Amino acid sequence: QVQLVQSGAEVKRPGASVKISCKASGNTFNNYFIHWVRQAPGQGLDWVGMINPSGGTTTYAQKFQVRLTMTRDTSTNTVYMELTSLRSEDTAVYYCATAAGYYTSPDFWGPGTLVTVSS
Amino acid sequence: DVQMTQSPSSLSASIGDRVTITCRASQDISNSLAWFQQKPGKAPKSLIYAASTLQSGVPSKFSGGGSGTVFTLTITGLQPEDFATYYCQQYKSYPLTFGGGTKVEIK
Repeated sequence: QVQLVQSGAEVKRPGASVKISCKASGNTFNNYFIHWVRQAPGQGLDWVGMINPSGGTTTYAQKFQVRLTMTRDTSTNTVYMELTSLRSEDTAVYYCATAAGYYTSPDFWGPGTLVTVSS
Repeated sequence: DVQMTQSPSSLSASIGDRVTITCRASQDISNSLAWFQQKPGKAPKSLIYAASTLQSGVPSKFSGGGSGTVFTLTITGLQPEDFATYYCQQYKSYPLTFGGGTKVEIK
């Protein structure tokens, strides 16, 4: 089974950018799509976007289109999520999760990265 | 976007009870529906996909049903480890969308 290791917690000022990572174990990196889902404190789950590590193609939630970039480094089996122009409402735990295909559900989740946006 | 509505938002139940959570989609999503369990401070765990297929290792006390726009998650013989928040999610179309969650608490 794939293992996902996420980068550590971040604290950012409003207006700044954050780039967090999700490293997948094993040689199955190109076999999965990687989704990012966030959860604000005490709130529900909110889908952010998805990257296909094999070709690097991405699909983003409309509300993040302008501020969001997902990339991957196939040499290290790592995907990155960068969110710019941060505001307090972006404070959340950001999870990465694997999915077997474009129209399949994310089935295995990483432990999450807390991003705090505060002045 | 497909809106997912879960009910109830919370429920209280006793050990050994059977509970059912309902999830409604704003349009037909066929059987492209997943259920997740989340405990405080932990990542969500996938329980069911394709509306009724259990993920490997998930006990048969969990069952899912429905298709189209109405879906259910049933948990039989509630145990202390089952008290958690449950989310439905559709993956028929992008953006993927989640229900608001159902918190199952001990009565």
